[in-house]
Amino acid sequence: GAVVSQHPSWVICKSGTSVKIECRSLDFQATTMFWYRQFPKQSLMLMATSNEGSKATYEQGVEKDKFLINHASLTLSTLTVTSAHPEDSSFYICSARPRDASSGNTIYFGEGSWLTVV
Amino acid sequence: DAKTTQPTSMDCAEGRAANLPCNHSTISGNEYVYWYRQIHSQGPQYIIHGLKNNETNEMASLIITEDRKSSTLILPHATLRDTAVYYCIVRPLTGNQFYFGTGTSLTVIP
Repeated sequence: GAVVSQHPSWVICKSGTSVKIECRSLDFQATTMFWYRQFPKQSLMLMATSNEGSKATYEQGVEKDKFLINHASLTLSTLTVTSAHPEDSSFYICSARPRDASSGNTIYFGEGSWLTVV
Repeated sequence: DAKTTQPTSMDCAEGRAANLPCNHSTISGNEYVYWYRQIHSQGPQYIIHGLKNNETNEMASLIITEDRKSSTLILPHATLRDTAVYYCIVRPLTGNQFYFGTGTSLTVIP
């Protein structure tokens, strides 16, 4: 149980284009989903928190107009990197918190998505 | 912000117990200790969490000191597949965000 899936696993896009990454909770409903970014040999950096049906809350320094987050259902959140630039190349990871509190407020992570902007 | 301090790296011989320490001296009464690990180029994997009592599951044991200012994750019989970065995180049970510190890079040596 508690499986979170991301798609695509890796994507290459041209500078200036937009790319969308999907995050799905496969066997549970998630009231809250989180998006992280990780650069090589660094820790995970929280970008934003999204609650189903409401606007995402962005961490300080993260541009909300550049990283669009939509959490339209209890099993799906999307991250769209708009007008991508090479410096946006990174490993993007989502996580989800089950609606069912019996998991002890644990969150579960997707496999991550590698974005390369050329 | 991460509220934990962990050693940057550790080695452990295969088959031996791996003991990974974590300091969280400013932990609040309602904050739990969570452990995750991240194998290279994958998403973090949940290991275990606890409040003040020691916890054990099929993956590991979590020992929390009586004053709750530190804890130790124990992998009883480390295997090569346990080589990963291990993260210790503190957060309230009803809290929202998970902030990661720098973690401990554990290398299991044959």
